Amino acid sequence: EPEVTQTPSHQVTQMGQEVILRCVPISNHLYFYWYRQILGQKVEFLVSFYNNEISEKSEIFDDQFSVERPDGSNFTLKIRSTKLEDSAMYFCASSERGRSADTQYFGPGTRLTVL
Amino acid sequence: AQSVTQPDIHITVSEGASLELRCNYSYGATPYLFWYVQSPGQGLQLLLKYFSGDTLVQGIKGFEAEFKRSQSSFNLRKPSVHWSDAAEYFCAVGAVGGGNKLTFGTGTQLKVEL
Repeated sequence: EPEVTQTPSHQVTQMGQEVILRCVPISNHLYFYWYRQILGQKVEFLVSFYNNEISEKSEIFDDQFSVERPDGSNFTLKIRSTKLEDSAMYFCASSERGRSADTQYFGPGTRLTVL
Repeated sequence: AQSVTQPDIHITVSEGASLELRCNYSYGATPYLFWYVQSPGQGLQLLLKYFSGDTLVQGIKGFEAEFKRSQSSFNLRKPSVHWSDAAEYFCAVGAVGGGNKLTFGTGTQLKVEL
């Protein structure tokens, strides 16, 4: 069964450093998402992406964040200058289409620790 | 804005016992509702979803959920729990008619005693 993959599984970085989290969505899916979960809190939507453009973003997704589909298979989340409060589990997801009822398939997550 | 509440942070049940995980949502209209499960080291896996029709929804692994509009609830049930069901369970709501983000609850950690 096709699945979403994410690398690395765990990333440790120093405050102020840039990090790039990588995701490989399911190959025939057109919509891509990033969510995050701070320890003990809810899974929160960050951004959705379609046709090389952001289609929706949350208040969390400020200028420090960016997303990119650099090639036909990868989808990345970049945090330019990490803060302590960026420490969280980051989940990538993809869906075949972008309708609200469509199933989003999630990857296993990248745990980001900012020191 | 839509929101989801999962009142139980931790639940422990004995193997073979029945299970009900609670989920309440807040949304202005009939929402799309989802239950996801996360096992350690795994991604969020969809168990079932509701978007219209029969209010009792069957999912994978023997789970079902019932949409009750009057109670704004979408509780997850399983008649007989297996040790492999130990995981974290997330309820989520999607907006009808616009946008495709999911709003999640805080999750319920299920422990199964043998």
